Amino acid sequence: SYVLTQPPSVSVAPGQTATITCGGNNIGTKSVYWYQQKPGQAPVLVVYDDSDRPSGIPERFSGSNSGNTATLTISRVEAGDEADYYCQVWDSSSDAYVFGPGTTVTAL
Amino acid sequence: DVRVVESGGGPVRPGGSLRLSCAASGFTFSYDAMNWVRQAPGKGLEWVSSISSRGHFIYYSDSVKGRFTISRDNAKNSLFLQMNSLRADDTAVYYCTRGSRSGYGGYFDYWGLGTLVTVSS
Repeated sequence: SYVLTQPPSVSVAPGQTATITCGGNNIGTKSVYWYQQKPGQAPVLVVYDDSDRPSGIPERFSGSNSGNTATLTISRVEAGDEADYYCQVWDSSSDAYVFGPGTTVTAL
Repeated sequence: DVRVVESGGGPVRPGGSLRLSCAASGFTFSYDAMNWVRQAPGKGLEWVSSISSRGHFIYYSDSVKGRFTISRDNAKNSLFLQMNSLRADDTAVYYCTRGSRSGYGGYFDYWGLGTLVTVSS
């Protein structure tokens, strides 16, 4: 089965840039989706199709995907961006949706 | 507005059964795939099962295959998850989600608030 890897945590000073990676074998050939989940809340989609943003998601959230790594970048981090972030793909080899283990972003 | 609301969670003994329901509104339910995603306490997200818009394609994670059954009633805008032979590691918040496509693949664009299933003796 397909496996995604993410760093457990990322810490960044407010106003700086947070970079969250999502690793997978040839993940660049797949579409990657990113979700934000704040404590006690349901996840919210923040990036789809590698780099597109749903309506209502700030431009500060951007994504990229190439080779074996997809990346979610949060520019000018705010206290309100503190959350868990999960990447997700569809693995056609196993007909399964796969989530990464999640990354906790902390604004120092 | 798109809305999905789960119900049916609660405490259950190991080996027991439970049926979750999801009531959808604000979109044409019969056009979209629907899914269940769960999250164990303090853990990450885990995809459980998916069903295509007309029920022709059904998928399960290996962890629930043979024990859980997903179904839908397009006339009633409802999604279901029949859970049998429940185990302690099935304890989780179960989210109903709308898929971004009618078939399979893509992402989950709308999520409910979840319903908690607790399997314990």
